[in-house]
Amino acid sequence: GIQVEQSPPDLILQEGANSTLRCNFSDSVNNLQWFHQNPWGQLINLFYIPSGTKQNGRLSATTVATERYSLLYISSSQTTDSGVYFCAVHSGGSNYKLTFGKGTLLTVNP
Amino acid sequence: GAGVSQSPRYKVAKRGQDVALRCDPISGHVSLFWYQQALGQGPEFLTYFQNEAQLDKSGLPSDRFFAERPEGSVSTLKIQRTQQEDSAVYLCASSLGGQRGYTFGSGTRLTVV
Repeated sequence: GIQVEQSPPDLILQEGANSTLRCNFSDSVNNLQWFHQNPWGQLINLFYIPSGTKQNGRLSATTVATERYSLLYISSSQTTDSGVYFCAVHSGGSNYKLTFGKGTLLTVNP
Repeated sequence: GAGVSQSPRYKVAKRGQDVALRCDPISGHVSLFWYQQALGQGPEFLTYFQNEAQLDKSGLPSDRFFAERPEGSVSTLKIQRTQQEDSAVYLCASSLGGQRGYTFGSGTRLTVV
């Protein structure tokens, strides 16, 4: 099946700093989503982004499907941005099953 | 309800015990999913329901795992004769259908001792 790799595995920032998280995938995808898992364990969808660029406040994402990667940008980070960021893809004949990467653990210090 | 509700929030089971995990999806959501998340890993797909029909159970790790959604709403994931490797967070998600609108619950953390 498809492989999803995320980097870096861990990231520590000071409040106000910017960061870029990367997601590489091994095959063509039908869709790609970015999630934030908060300290209480809930996964919150940030973006549906099979291609192109989207922005939502301080967050933006870019997917280059032909090169099989996606980037999540966090600007002016806040302590509430802390948590694990997951990239997940729909691939092959499935329009419902998500394959997740291992995530990036982000810690934003005050 | 406003979100996907899972219960119990935490469960400690002795090895060999049977457990049942409950998921209340968002009202009207046709699709329901179960995922298993081991410590330090991303969630892994277990099974998928469309209404009451279980359309995909390819991710269930063994025949000790069983899921049902008899009336197309509430779902239960049952694990028989639990083993230590079953320790994980079990996440439920629901959606109106298709790829959009996935809403996850906060999960049930199962610890088998």
